[in-house]
Amino acid sequence: ETGVTQSPTHLIKTRGQQVTLRCSSQSGHNTVSWYQQALGQGPQFIFQYYREEENGRGNFPPRFSGLQFPNYSSELNVNALELDDSALYLCASSLAGELFFGEGSRLTVL
Amino acid sequence: GQSLEQPSEVTAVEGAIVQINCTYQTSGFYGLSWYQQHDGGAPTFLSYNALDGLEETGRFSSFLSRSDSYGYLLLQELQMKDSASYFCAVSRAGFKTIFGAGTRLFVKA
Repeated sequence: ETGVTQSPTHLIKTRGQQVTLRCSSQSGHNTVSWYQQALGQGPQFIFQYYREEENGRGNFPPRFSGLQFPNYSSELNVNALELDDSALYLCASSLAGELFFGEGSRLTVL
Repeated sequence: GQSLEQPSEVTAVEGAIVQINCTYQTSGFYGLSWYQQHDGGAPTFLSYNALDGLEETGRFSSFLSRSDSYGYLLLQELQMKDSASYFCAVSRAGFKTIFGAGTRLFVKA
């Protein structure tokens, strides 16, 4: 139990739609990262937020965007969904480097 | 850019010792972490090495050689519940953490 919660746990969308995934960080953790994990692969870094500012981004297009709120909770938004966006989306909060992951949101794009 | 390499699969028997290697190429390296992920679960933190040498946490140990850009995770007294995927991950400036593709460990009775 990491104290990081994500919602929804599962969702199905169609190509072209938009999705918002949510994450509540562990108490006191001011940094949140989002990862995409395809089946059988390692988590791929999407971006990281520190005190409401994006301070790092991986190799993902601009249709992947995010927000971090004053209470350090966070959202991941994906526009114009593509079939390849089907994956497990993991949120991780951290304070000093060690990542605490939520259980993830499994997105299926049809 | 950055890259991490680790074996895709390792098989060992219960009670044995297994070593999972990881080599990396990255700029702004801060440290090497290891995470465990069971099927359907979230990655969980196992260990972190910022300096060269061995870190021991119970049955698990992790080693880092910064000059060789190399590390490993050592699992002793293997148990069936250790069957999982293990990821090495590089921590970079600003604590951005980049993961390898993972090693799937199968523990046989």
